[in-house]
Amino acid sequence: QVQVKESGPGLVKPSETLSLTCVVSGFSISSDYYWAWIRQPPGKGLEWIGTMYHSGSTYYNTPLKSRATISVDTSKNQFSLLLTSVTAADTAVYYCARRGLYGDDSSGWYFDLWGRGTLVTVSS
Amino acid sequence: QSALTQPASVSGSPGQSITISCTGTSNDVGDYDFVSWYQEQPGKAPKLIIYDVSRRPSGVSNRFSGSKSGNTASLTISGLQAEDEADYYCSSFTGSATYVFGTGTQVTVL
Repeated sequence: QVQVKESGPGLVKPSETLSLTCVVSGFSISSDYYWAWIRQPPGKGLEWIGTMYHSGSTYYNTPLKSRATISVDTSKNQFSLLLTSVTAADTAVYYCARRGLYGDDSSGWYFDLWGRGTLVTVSS
Repeated sequence: QSALTQPASVSGSPGQSITISCTGTSNDVGDYDFVSWYQEQPGKAPKLIIYDVSRRPSGVSNRFSGSKSGNTASLTISGLQAEDEADYYCSSFTGSATYVFGTGTQVTVL
């Protein structure tokens, strides 16, 4: 069964670095798909954080670009998110997701597989 | 990049049809036919229900349909069922491999 699952500490102190991992199961992270992080603050909408390819190409949402880093560990079939200098505004449910695949009837510009998300609270 | 605008809530009775709008700009929804819709239910992973404006992934009910006109995309749910009660989010490609999501719509089945 193809699935992705987020993990990481549920509580991070202000000014510290948030670190999350997404384990990909039933599917090779080195395939032609891109992988993404998306978050949702409590009571608010979804926000795209960034997307990466297993080769290392990355794309970030402009407001988070200076603080976010997405990386891949192909040996463990997982990818990670680091978010530095966090504040209370970074409190959110963080989702990892797979971007769609480009094809004859698909642009690939969507997310077709999501994890259930993990809540990260920024508080001292 | 500002979030796409969706109504906060939409409701309908079982069997009815409802439509959720998703309004962006000429830099996102209006410029690309790459709008997708997601269903979010408590305790579950968000689910893709529409991609590329009007395409349905395998396994998604044909009661869900999508369209676009100008800077506004729409999701229609026909034959509303209790199981459709959820939050729905639109998303658009915005160029240079970037995306923006909508503000979200809570669908209530009366």
